[in-house]
Amino acid sequence: DGGITQSPKYLFRKEGQNVTLSCEQNLNHDAMYWYRQDPGQGLRLIYYSQIVNDFQKGDIAEGYSVSREKKESFPLTVTSAQKNPTAFYLCASSPDTFGLFFGSGTQLSVL
Amino acid sequence: AQSVTQLGSHVSVSEGALVLLRCNYSSSVPPYLFWYVQYPNQGLQLLLKYTSAATLVKGINGFEAEFKKSETSFHLTKPSAHMSDAAEYFCAVSLGGYNKLIFGAGTRLAVHP
Repeated sequence: DGGITQSPKYLFRKEGQNVTLSCEQNLNHDAMYWYRQDPGQGLRLIYYSQIVNDFQKGDIAEGYSVSREKKESFPLTVTSAQKNPTAFYLCASSPDTFGLFFGSGTQLSVL
Repeated sequence: AQSVTQLGSHVSVSEGALVLLRCNYSSSVPPYLFWYVQYPNQGLQLLLKYTSAATLVKGINGFEAEFKKSETSFHLTKPSAHMSDAAEYFCAVSLGGYNKLIFGAGTRLAVHP
C-alpha cells in the first residue's frame, strides 16, 4: 500500500539531546513537508523540500534541521536548541500544487 | 499576507442535525482552499479542496463547502451529522506553488445522540 510512514509514534527527549523523527513515503511525490501541531494552534510549517538535496525553512525552523538525500525520505532532527519541543509532528507529501497527504504523526515529549 | 480564521474552537451538534463549520480567509491572490479532518492521534485527511473551478465543492463523507469570494468564506457543511463525524476539522489556504498551506486553529466537532 502506498502511503507516508512516520516513526516512532511516540518519542521522548532528554534535556540537551537531539532526536530524529523519521518520515518515509512510497507515493513518488516530489515535495515533502514537516508541520508542528500544538493544541489550539493548528499546524505550523517547520521545513519543506520540493526536490532532492534542496529544502527551505518554514515559519518556525529555529531549533530544527532536515535533510533530503533521497526522494522517499525527509527526516527531521529536533535539536537541543529547540527549548519547547513537546508537540505532535506531522510529515506530509504532495504530488502537485493541490493538496497534501499526511502521515500518522509522532508525539514528542520531554522527560 | 494569507491567513485563516476558524470561528468556534468547539461545535456540538445532535446526531442527524446540520453541521456548519466556519472558515474565513484573507489572501492577496486568488486562493486555493482546503478542509482537512483529524481523528485522535492520527494525521490529517483531505476532505475537499477548492482550486478555482466550481464554487460549490463536494468532498468525502457527505461534506461540502462553498467558496464565497465576496464574504471571503469557505464554510464546511453536512446536512446530517453522524456519530463518526466527531473529530477536529482544519481549514487551510495555500500560498500557491508548492502547497505552503496556512492552517486555521481547528474546530473540534462533537456529535451527541
